[in-house]
Amino acid sequence: EVQLLESGGGLIQPGGSLRLSCVGSGYTFSSYGMSWVRQAPGKGLEWISGIGAGGSDTYYADSVKGRFTISRDNSKNTLYLQMGGLRAEDTAIYYCTRDSGWLTSFWGQGTLVTVSS
Amino acid sequence: EIMLTQSPGTLSLSPGERATFSCRASQNIGNKYLAWYQQKPGQPPRLLIYDISTRATGISDRFSGSGSGTDFTLTISRLDPEDFAVYYCQQYGNSPRTFGQGTKVEIK
Repeated sequence: EVQLLESGGGLIQPGGSLRLSCVGSGYTFSSYGMSWVRQAPGKGLEWISGIGAGGSDTYYADSVKGRFTISRDNSKNTLYLQMGGLRAEDTAIYYCTRDSGWLTSFWGQGTLVTVSS
Repeated sequence: EIMLTQSPGTLSLSPGERATFSCRASQNIGNKYLAWYQQKPGQPPRLLIYDISTRATGISDRFSGSGSGTDFTLTISRLDPEDFAVYYCQQYGNSPRTFGQGTKVEIK
């Protein structure tokens, strides 16, 4: 069974940094691209970053470019999102997703990030 | 960036009725890369349809997708109580991948 388990969310002050992790299991992690998609409270979905299966190709939405960094460690079956310069508008549930090509085919349960003083 | 506009915002229907909702792109997607997701409260989204009309594994044949170019449709032939949820479209052929704002299907 495919599972994606996010961790690392929490309450952080504006301007702070946070690193999210996502461990994949039940499939060959290194064979799939991965993404982060977020959802602000009561709002819709926003794709924010993606990474190829090998880790060398990365993609960002303009809203996070220059502030967030996606990476992966295939030896640990783990995806990361390093977030910096956090703002109130970054408050959201952050979902780790497995991609098939560019299709978001499977979602984790999400981890909540709250940016507030 | 391709903007996706879903309509209506909310659909009030009864179990057994047919649901049809729209996703319109701000420019021709130019390929088949349009997907639909279902999200229930407190849960992550679930992939229903990809490549405009292909049902994901385990998805009921009550769900069907259609369209091309800029106009796409998701149809639920007969609503089950479990189908009341929010539905999102997404284009994944152009970067950045973008979602529509969602259509909520509520019990009338």
